[in-house]
Amino acid sequence: SAVISQKPSRDICQRGTSLTIQCQVDSQVTMMFWYRQQPGQSLTLIATANQGSEATYESGFVIDKFPISRPNLTFSTLTVSNMSPEDSSIYLCSVTTGGYEQYFGPGTRLTVT
Amino acid sequence: EDQVTQSPEALRLQEGESSSLNCSYTVSGLRGLFWYRQDPGKGPEFLFTLYSAGEEKEKERLKATLTKKESFLHITAPKPEDSATYLCAVHPTNSGYALNFGKGTSLLVTP
Repeated sequence: SAVISQKPSRDICQRGTSLTIQCQVDSQVTMMFWYRQQPGQSLTLIATANQGSEATYESGFVIDKFPISRPNLTFSTLTVSNMSPEDSSIYLCSVTTGGYEQYFGPGTRLTVT
Repeated sequence: EDQVTQSPEALRLQEGESSSLNCSYTVSGLRGLFWYRQDPGKGPEFLFTLYSAGEEKEKERLKATLTKKESFLHITAPKPEDSATYLCAVHPTNSGYALNFGKGTSLLVTP
């Protein structure tokens, strides 16, 4: 497994602004993922972030809205841009460490007013 | 289309009252099925991976089983600290690393 931390743990933001969420892992990992967990809904994959290449986005998610950086094998950021109340959610990063099971960070709880 | 359905949505048990949670899935091909536990305000915690029908995994009071259409998470003699939301996820063979999650079962175990 891996120890994953996220910053911030929670935030309240104004409509129209952007928030960057950081994900730090205690060991080098190839695959990092960003998920969204909306109230009453399933965890939904936003994108896969590999070091040294562009992030791969799932259907319904676009780079202009959710730009991702992956500068090295232990760190990634997700930006939620031009936020609206519909972006209020928990955002989670996860990693794989050799198998297909994913290990999750503690999440960032975002409220957009 | 790949689908994962968990039932019941919520379950309340008395301490010591054993029960099972269900995860039904529809996928064109299954690479693996995962169970996670999620406590309020925390990220999902990995519990088990199951790869093929007939496989079983155990951890303390939890046992996960898999058939070709569903998985069960059996909880034997639960304790209040087992209270959490239990999530099931499938990894289809055609999805790269993307997991399809169910909505979860919220379990409350009362003393």
